[in-house]
Amino acid sequence: AQSVTQLDSHVSVSEGTPVLLRCNYSSSYSPSLFWYVQHPNKGLQLLLKYTSAATLVKGINGFEAEFKKSETSFHLTKPSAHMSDAAEYFCVVSEGYTGRRALTFGSGTRLQVQP
Amino acid sequence: GAVVSQHPSRVICKSGTSVKIECRSLDFQATTMFWYRQFPKQSLMLMATSNEGSKATYEQGVEKDKFLINHASLTLSTLTVTSAHPEDSSFYICSAPQSGPGANVLTFGAGSRLTVL
Repeated sequence: AQSVTQLDSHVSVSEGTPVLLRCNYSSSYSPSLFWYVQHPNKGLQLLLKYTSAATLVKGINGFEAEFKKSETSFHLTKPSAHMSDAAEYFCVVSEGYTGRRALTFGSGTRLQVQP
Repeated sequence: GAVVSQHPSRVICKSGTSVKIECRSLDFQATTMFWYRQFPKQSLMLMATSNEGSKATYEQGVEKDKFLINHASLTLSTLTVTSAHPEDSSFYICSAPQSGPGANVLTFGAGSRLTVL
C-alpha cells in the first residue's frame, strides 16, 4: 500500500523568499514521485518527477525536489518565490505502472505569495 | 508534449438534465483515461478508469448509472452525468498516461466545472 502526506495545508511566503512544501510518502515498493501544480479552475501541470534516477530532481519554473529514502520525503523547494507561483501543489506517489489504483494524491498545499 | 483537451470548461445545467464532458488526447493515443472529481479546496478523487473498447472500472462508492463513461476511440473518452442534481456540482478532471518513456506520467485536462441549479 502507498500513501502520501503533505504536511502543510497552507504556506505563505513573501515574494523573493524561499519556498518549501513538504511531502512524506510510504510505499511498499520503489515509488515514482511527482509534484503537480494547479492554478485556480485549471487542470494539473507536472512540475517534476522522480523515477529512481538522480535523487535531486529539477523541474520547471525553478522548482526542484530531493528524494530522501531514509526520511521517506520528497520536499519541493524554490530559492525565490514569484507571485505567479501562488497555486495549489499536489505531491503524488505511484508504484510502478500507472494503473487505476497506482496513483495516490496528497491533500494539497496552497501556496500564497505576498508582495 | 502530450496534451489532453477537456470540453466544456464550464457548464451550468438545470437539475434533472444530463451533461456530457469530453476528454481528448490530442497528439497521442490513450487506451486508458482517468476521471477525477475535485471538491472545493480538496484533493482529487479518482472516480473511474476509462478503457478503450471495454467497460469502465469504477471506484468504490461511485454510481455507475449516474456517471456514464464511454471510451469511444483511442483519443476520446466521455463522462456523462445523468439526471444531474446540485450535489453533483463539482470540478471534473480527466487525465491520460503518456506513452513510451513517460508512461508513468499523467497528463491532465484543464478540467470542467459543473454547476447544477
